[in-house]
Amino acid sequence: NAGVTQTPKFQVLKTGQSMTLQCAQDMNHNSMYWYRQDPGMGLRLIYYSASEGTTDKGEVPNGYNVSRLNKREFSLRLESAAPSQTSVYFCASLQDALAKNIQYFGAGTRLSVL
Amino acid sequence: AQKITQTQPGMFVQEKEAVTLDCTYDTSDQSYGLFWYKQPSSGEMIFLIYQGSYDEQNATEGRYSLNFQKARKSANLVISASQLGDSAMYFCAMRGRAGNNRKLIWGLGTSLAVNP
Repeated sequence: NAGVTQTPKFQVLKTGQSMTLQCAQDMNHNSMYWYRQDPGMGLRLIYYSASEGTTDKGEVPNGYNVSRLNKREFSLRLESAAPSQTSVYFCASLQDALAKNIQYFGAGTRLSVL
Repeated sequence: AQKITQTQPGMFVQEKEAVTLDCTYDTSDQSYGLFWYKQPSSGEMIFLIYQGSYDEQNATEGRYSLNFQKARKSANLVISASQLGDSAMYFCAMRGRAGNNRKLIWGLGTSLAVNP
């Protein structure tokens, strides 16, 4: 039972470097999400994908791009990392076959941008 | 606009006692869902319990129960018989409005410390 798998778990970047955070789910969920979590600010939605082939902006999309490669995978890309993007990033997928709409989360990626 | 408010940044409870974590919400929708998640120090987000707005009974999951008071727009989490492993951050969330109901609106969380 892998659920939602995120890689890497930790990453340190220099300002201006690029990287892609990977996320995959094996629960056959249609919807997937990327959040960032900062101290005192709770979870903020960066982007989400309601289904394969569609993506939409969340609250804080600036500086990020996403790709919904297939139903299983949803990646988050930082093209030119900035110190303000130092955060913990979570990927989630949604069990939307039921009215409850429960989101299941990956273990998170701790990103530091120096 | 929809909003979730958790007014307790931090709470303490003695092991084996019960504790209530507060959550109030604001929405004009008639149909909505409320969630509680736990985030231990290891960092993962763990789904705990769900309450639908039309559910007549308060939700329960083991030692977790949700005290749902619709008229007061509150959805407090009650943890009975606290254990040391309950020390964590707890987040309340609400399902977004129809047409955008795959998004969750999140509170800022409450940090719970269980004392031995």
